[in-house]
Amino acid sequence: NAGVTQTPKFQVLKTGQSMTLQCAQDMNHNSMYWYRQDPGMGLRLIYYSASEGTTDKGEVPNGYNVSRLNKREFSLRLESAAPSQTSVYFCASRRGEGRTGELIFGEGSRLTVL
Amino acid sequence: AQTVTQSQPEMSVQEAETVTLSCTYDTSESDYYLFWYKQPPSRQMILVIRQEAYKQQNATENRFSVNFQKAAKSFSLKISDSQLGDAAMYFCATPPDQTGANNLFFGTGTRLTVIP
Repeated sequence: NAGVTQTPKFQVLKTGQSMTLQCAQDMNHNSMYWYRQDPGMGLRLIYYSASEGTTDKGEVPNGYNVSRLNKREFSLRLESAAPSQTSVYFCASRRGEGRTGELIFGEGSRLTVL
Repeated sequence: AQTVTQSQPEMSVQEAETVTLSCTYDTSESDYYLFWYKQPPSRQMILVIRQEAYKQQNATENRFSVNFQKAAKSFSLKISDSQLGDAAMYFCATPPDQTGANNLFFGTGTRLTVIP
């Protein structure tokens, strides 16, 4: 099983450019998540999707948009990148039903905005 | 506001010794699950252990165990017989202070160094 796959793994952008981080899971999970990780800040939730067709804001949604394209895929878009969005981004899906299961993470995507 | 506190930014332990990492949280939920994750230098997030708040018994997975104090909202991770491969960042994850929300909040992490 591939689990959770994120692309790209690395990306460098200039301020104002746009890009989309792709995420796909092959475990038939309902819930998917996007987190960002910054030094000393832990993981902070950007957006999540409890099921296909629904999305909700997390702690730090400003500057981001998401799309739950289908049950497998959950993308994160930066419309106009800013240096403050330099971070490592993790996609995750949640095992099981409801709120009992653990999150399964992708390998992360390192984004640098110059 | 959501609070998940890991009060030890860094810890060190001698190989083969025992270390305890602390985590406190705040939630209004009555039944929920708590998690500890490990992040080695490879950056991959790996589940270490899970605890159901409804269960009295502390969870154990080989050398890893939990000391869960529900009333105190404390969820510490004990690593016994520490090994060099245990060196990593450790994050606790807890449900939000929002009934029914299906997400997890993470602490700021504890960096564990294992001394040979």
